[in-house]
Amino acid sequence: TAGITQAPTSQILAAGRSMTLRCTQDMRHNAMYWYRQDLGLGLRLIHYSNTAGTTGKGEVPDGYSVSRANTDDFPLTLASAVPSQTSVYFCASSDSITSGGSDTQYFGPGTRLTVL
Amino acid sequence: GQNIDQPTEMTATEGAIVQINCTYQTSGFNGLFWYQQHAGEAPTFLSYNVLDGLEEKGRFSSFLSRSKGYSYLLLKELQMKDSASYLCAVRDGNYQLIWGAGTKLIIKP
Repeated sequence: TAGITQAPTSQILAAGRSMTLRCTQDMRHNAMYWYRQDLGLGLRLIHYSNTAGTTGKGEVPDGYSVSRANTDDFPLTLASAVPSQTSVYFCASSDSITSGGSDTQYFGPGTRLTVL
Repeated sequence: GQNIDQPTEMTATEGAIVQINCTYQTSGFNGLFWYQQHAGEAPTFLSYNVLDGLEEKGRFSSFLSRSKGYSYLLLKELQMKDSASYLCAVRDGNYQLIWGAGTKLIIKP
């Protein structure tokens, strides 16, 4: 079982350009999440989706957008990248409590993004 | 505000025991998680506590005291592969997961 896959693994992006980070899970989890992880800081939630067709804002949503057209995919888009968005981005999924699951989050391998 | 505190870095010797502490202040409590993260890799789930007491899983144990807002992760018979960051996360009253900054554990031979 693949679990959660993310693409690309890493990317260098010019400031002002747009980019979509892809995330796909095959565990049929209801909930999905996007985090960024910066040195010395904890994981910070960008956006989340409790179920297909719904999304919500996390702690640091500005400059990012998401969509959840189906259960498996949860892409994250940077409309106009800025250097402060240089980070490692992790996608995660969980079988949410509201659907009877444990809500333990499982993570993809991450995307390392550098914005110059 | 909501806050989770962990030591930034700890050093221990191969074969020894180490305890990583986590204290939290959150709006409500619906469980505490410990994750392991090796450098350059994704966090992986280690343990979950929602009731007070000790949960043991092989060489790793996790303890919770809800009244004290305190948890610890105990690692026994340390191996070099245990060198990693250990992340504490609390699920608050709104079922949002609040993450600590992580404790980097260095194992020396």
